[in-house]
Amino acid sequence: DQQVKQNSPSLSVQEGRISILNCDYTNSMFDYFLWYKKYPAEGPTFLISISSIKDKNEDGRFTVFLNKSAKHLSLHIVPSQPGDSAVYFCAASDRYGGSQGNLIFGKGTKLSVKP
Amino acid sequence: DAGITQSPRHKVTETGTPVTLRCHQTENHRYMYWYRQDPGHGLRLIHYSYGVKDTDKGEVSDGYSVSRSKTEDFLLTLESATSSQTSVYFCAIRRGVAGPNEQFFGPGTRLTVL
Repeated sequence: DQQVKQNSPSLSVQEGRISILNCDYTNSMFDYFLWYKKYPAEGPTFLISISSIKDKNEDGRFTVFLNKSAKHLSLHIVPSQPGDSAVYFCAASDRYGGSQGNLIFGKGTKLSVKP
Repeated sequence: DAGITQSPRHKVTETGTPVTLRCHQTENHRYMYWYRQDPGHGLRLIHYSYGVKDTDKGEVSDGYSVSRSKTEDFLLTLESATSSQTSVYFCAIRRGVAGPNEQFFGPGTRLTVL
């Protein structure tokens, strides 16, 4: 049973436009959410995170939105650049649960930004 | 750069042979993790450690064991490798012991079991 779902395996966007990557979760105890970016042959790199007490967090071109009632979060990249082409993983954590706050990852969405 | 190295970076082995992958960190973090990444599955936790000699199982621990005799090293062992263990393996560390679990990953080891 997938607790963190990224339902779009791939997304293609034109350079300069907005990229929106979506993530849904089922466990209402999750209280911290993260996005990672992964290039081929490299390890995932931390991108941005959000606590459940917030509904938005912004860092430069990257903004994460959290809708707790819908158990949904999204990552917005504006404007998209060819260097943003990568696989993006959504992850969630229950910091006060018995799992020591271990991360649960989605399956990833491959973003392609075309020049 | 979280000061994480993994060795070897690539390995090809045969079914039934033992394999050990090493993760080394330079920043003295308490928590360390081993994940595998497979197409269609994302990142799945194999084992993790919350201190020297303190380890616990993750989601996909069958067929794997770990050891942590020093803070800086976390070893993943496949006692008898199988073709289903062909994967890319990532080690990660957690900065801090309280607060959000923001993890930082090593470069990965690509393992092929023939």
